[in-house]
Amino acid sequence: EVQLVESGGGLIQPGRSLRLSCAASGFNFGAYAMSWIRQAPGQGLEWIGCIKSKTFGWATEYAASVKGRFTVSRDDSKSITYLEMNSLKTEDTAVYYCARSTLSYWGQGALVTVSS
Amino acid sequence: DIQMTQSPPSLSASVGDRVTISCRASQDISNHLAWFQQEPGKAPKALIYGASSLHSGVPSKFSGSGSGTDFTLTISSLLPEDFATYYCQQYHTYPWTFGQGTKVEIK
Repeated sequence: EVQLVESGGGLIQPGRSLRLSCAASGFNFGAYAMSWIRQAPGQGLEWIGCIKSKTFGWATEYAASVKGRFTVSRDDSKSITYLEMNSLKTEDTAVYYCARSTLSYWGQGALVTVSS
Repeated sequence: DIQMTQSPPSLSASVGDRVTISCRASQDISNHLAWFQQEPGKAPKALIYGASSLHSGVPSKFSGSGSGTDFTLTISSLLPEDFATYYCQQYHTYPWTFGQGTKVEIK
């Protein structure tokens, strides 16, 4: 069974950094691209970035709203993908989801609240 | 960026009804279109990929169609668990983008 479990969310002050983790199980993690998607309170879904597999050189892609501030990485030996978020803003408050490949499987989400 | 526009933003329907949700892309995305269902407080669930292919375990009452710029999701014979918000999403070009969602409510 494919499982994705996010962790690392919480309350953080504006300007600070936070790293989310997404632990995967039930599939050959290294063969798949992994994405991060967020959902602000009461709002729709926003894809924010992804990291491709080793076959594609672990290339990354980002939405303009986070490019330069957020970094997606992965550790294939641990089946974990990370979302490093720097210079956080209040508008980054959202539930953050990780998802596999073309978003076929999703984690349960991690709430990040950016507030002073 | 490719803009995805869903219509209607919301709709009211009764148990047993058939509903159709539309999704339009701002440029040709071939069939690189997915549909998701999200219940309140839960993570989205993938329903359809490739515009018309059902993910494993998704009931056949869900169907998708379209290619290029115009797509539809049809749900036949609504059940109480189908009342949720539905999103389309293109994965043709980065950045991937979602429609704004269509909330299906009980009449």
